[in-house]
Amino acid sequence: DTEVTQTPKHLVMGMTNKKSLKCEQHMGHRAMYWYKQKAKKPPELMFVYSYEKLSINESVPSRFSPECPNSSLLNLHLHALQPEDSALYLCASSQVQGVENTIYFGEGSWLTVV
Amino acid sequence: GESVGLHLPTLSVQEGDNSIINCAYSNSASDYFIWYKQESGKGPQFIIDIRSNMDKRQGQRVTVLLNKTVKHLSLQIAATQPGDSAVYFCAENTDDYKLSFGAGTTVTVRA
Repeated sequence: DTEVTQTPKHLVMGMTNKKSLKCEQHMGHRAMYWYKQKAKKPPELMFVYSYEKLSINESVPSRFSPECPNSSLLNLHLHALQPEDSALYLCASSQVQGVENTIYFGEGSWLTVV
Repeated sequence: GESVGLHLPTLSVQEGDNSIINCAYSNSASDYFIWYKQESGKGPQFIIDIRSNMDKRQGQRVTVLLNKTVKHLSLQIAATQPGDSAVYFCAENTDDYKLSFGAGTTVTVRA
């Protein structure tokens, strides 16, 4: 079982809604990640937080807004999404950001935008 | 066992046989490689990793081989079981610390 916990597991939202995805880990990891995965495709990196600071933003549209309130929590705030944003959103963590650090994934939040 | 010489999106294997999943990577500067297993409806699960200073690493029923000369990575699963049915991704940790995934191979185990 993964030690990265994501809520909610499923979310359906309208294009004018504001919602948030939440992620929590208690492994003492100091790097946390958001990935997006479309059906039958590999995960694509969206954001990386290192020591609670945004380290990498992969040119993600501003309708996705990440937040790292503390070393255990990572949120992804969603606003004015499009139907093509429907996907599996994966949170992950690693001990620190860097080469040779294993990245562990949560089970994901399935998002449907209607 | 069944194997593929080049990356193929699907692999069908008889239960009890060995399977080999191949992956080609592009960045010669990559130092670290991971294999993930993703079952339907779940997140990717870490299977095994290997560093660039190694050419082979073994785990429980799995072996990863790394050939840096031709930038090729493979995952061998011994005595494949129905629970091994999943999508398998190789991933490389590039020199800017991003994890880049391969296209994935869907493994189906026949009873």
